[in-house]
Amino acid sequence: AQSVAQPEDQVNVAEGNPLTVKCTYSVSGNPYLFWYVQYPNRGLQFLLKYITGDNLVKGSYGFEAEFNKSQTSFHLKKPSALVSDSALYFCAVREIAGNTPLVFGKGTRLSVIA
Amino acid sequence: DAGVIQSPRHEVTEMGQEVTLRCKPISGHNSLFWYRQTMMRGLELLIYFNNNVPIDDSGMPEDRFSAKMPNASFSTLKIQPSEPRDSAVYFCASSLVGQGVTEAFFGQGTRLTVV
Repeated sequence: AQSVAQPEDQVNVAEGNPLTVKCTYSVSGNPYLFWYVQYPNRGLQFLLKYITGDNLVKGSYGFEAEFNKSQTSFHLKKPSALVSDSALYFCAVREIAGNTPLVFGKGTRLSVIA
Repeated sequence: DAGVIQSPRHEVTEMGQEVTLRCKPISGHNSLFWYRQTMMRGLELLIYFNNNVPIDDSGMPEDRFSAKMPNASFSTLKIQPSEPRDSAVYFCASSLVGQGVTEAFFGQGTRLTVV
């Protein structure tokens, strides 16, 4: 079975500092990996995905994520955080084989402090 | 494209009443998902459809929950009878599967409050 772990419920970062939101996954085969962001009273918005190829994936709003197969991780990063990045972030995984839905982590609340 | 459209945005109902949530997926997408979000349990997959056919409903909590997809442009999630513990935000999402890998696109959600 597929699963995602986001070990931090909350991440606090000062504006202008780099941020990292952690994600590890478990699948029986090769994964497709995704990051989504949720602002208050809104649906989830897609940020970026890893399918294959370069382990460093760039996405919306200056975010990027690095796929590390040996550590089964897909951490979300941004070089310089903005107050407007404050939101709830979800990591998701699905297996390459088969037509399976996304399995989400519990989410990490990012708070960027001015 | 207007994206995934859910209605209503907010629903307040009394315990025991029937509740129907509606979803219009993105045109051309062939997979549809219903998720439920709560503080305690996070984002849970309830059921998903491929080409209008229910594939996995193991996430549906009880027989009180049912979902249908009569055609490619419409799906409903029904709770009958509703209970206070059903209070949550319900999301519908759609994606295109089979032509590369696409992400799922989410609607704005329906916030359900059962009193």
